[in-house]
Amino acid sequence: DGGITQSPKYLFRKEGQNVTLSCEQNLNHDAMYWYRQDPGQGLRLIYYSQIVNDFQKGDIAEGYSVSREKKESFPLTVTSAQKNPTAFYLCASSTADNEQFFGPGTRLTVL
Amino acid sequence: GQSLEQPSEVTAVEGAIVQINCTYQTSGFYGLSWYQQHDGGAPTFLSYNGLDGLEETGRFSSFLSRSDSYGYLLLQELQMKDSASYFCAVSSLKAAGNKLTFGGGTRVLVKP
Repeated sequence: DGGITQSPKYLFRKEGQNVTLSCEQNLNHDAMYWYRQDPGQGLRLIYYSQIVNDFQKGDIAEGYSVSREKKESFPLTVTSAQKNPTAFYLCASSTADNEQFFGPGTRLTVL
Repeated sequence: GQSLEQPSEVTAVEGAIVQINCTYQTSGFYGLSWYQQHDGGAPTFLSYNGLDGLEETGRFSSFLSRSDSYGYLLLQELQMKDSASYFCAVSSLKAAGNKLTFGGGTRVLVKP
């Protein structure tokens, strides 16, 4: 079955640590996105990529980094520079159409 | 910048009709989408309006008025499983790609 997978489902980070969230899709979509969602709020765009080896900052990119070395993969690193990283992180992909398909999300907690 | 406004919460009974309004301010507007998200889950796509008018998909319909920067999602024949958060999202076609900006979401509670 085609879809988007994210791992891990839950992640705990100590202050000062970098952590990497995985996002893989087998939908053959060109575009991929990372969003952050805080409790009771909407989704905010962190980074997005339209093609391999290219990506752009979203609205809240500070403290995050990404890579897009393969079409199927778009990992997100939450660096120690992100002062308030506790949130629900969602990865999505899309074709040239307007529908975005979301993965199940990773819930990151800073200890 | 871009901003979207939608009500924070709506409560209705099973079988009722609910309308969720969304007003937006944006540059480079391309279209308005709606997503549903159950607690703890991932958003799922419901509908998209690129042109003015009504789009119907089963019990759900979505409307757009570009001149008024306004749209709505209509949920008919409400069922308990429709209890969820609903987000409107604006597409802006930038040089670097098609981006979505989401509203804060409307929590719909369906009561028996």
